[in-house]
Amino acid sequence: EVQLVQSGAEVKKAGESLKISCKGSEYSFTNYWIGWVRQMPGKGLEWMGIIYPGDSDTRYSPSFQGQVTISADKSLNTAYLQWSSLQASDTAIYYCATWYSSTFYAYFDSWGQGTLVTVSS
Amino acid sequence: SYELTQPPSVSVSPGQTARITCSGDALPRQYAYWYQQRPGQAPVLVIYKDNQRPSGIPERFSGSTSGTTVTLTISGVQAEDEADYYCQSADSSSTYYVFGTGTKVTVL
Repeated sequence: EVQLVQSGAEVKKAGESLKISCKGSEYSFTNYWIGWVRQMPGKGLEWMGIIYPGDSDTRYSPSFQGQVTISADKSLNTAYLQWSSLQASDTAIYYCATWYSSTFYAYFDSWGQGTLVTVSS
Repeated sequence: SYELTQPPSVSVSPGQTARITCSGDALPRQYAYWYQQRPGQAPVLVIYKDNQRPSGIPERFSGSTSGTTVTLTISGVQAEDEADYYCQSADSSSTYYVFGTGTKVTVL
């Protein structure tokens, strides 16, 4: 069974940098896309972007392009989401999930437990 | 960008049927997927490719499609089905992947 384990909750101040992680196991990490989803307090799910760990091909939603960086270290079976300068509006739960896609389908299958990021102004 | 629209809430009595709709212009050309999110938990895929059920998902969950609207149906609703439900799909060119606005299902 696919397992995705995310790093723990973070409390940061506005302007600080942050990198959160998502470690995959029990599947071939390099052969499946992995993505990130934001959920702001009391709000819905937002598709942020995806990365293919095999070659680091990365796609971003226009809403998040330039705001975050998605990366992966295939030697560690780990994907990352990072910010260079956090804002209070980045306060949210961030989920990683495996992204199954082909020409005809694309969806999130297995999900991590979520990482709560709290940013104070 | 592209948008998928869902009703904010649906209320249903135990044992009855809940229907949750999701509307989007590209849905006649793109598959839809449905996720259940119980309070304080990560989302779980309950329907993929419009009407396919992943292993472990109860048979009372089903999906259907008609034109620009897809529907998640929960037959014989149980208390444990109280959750938020989100559809997900893509625009016609598969450039934008989006979630629907979400529907809160309340079991009375």
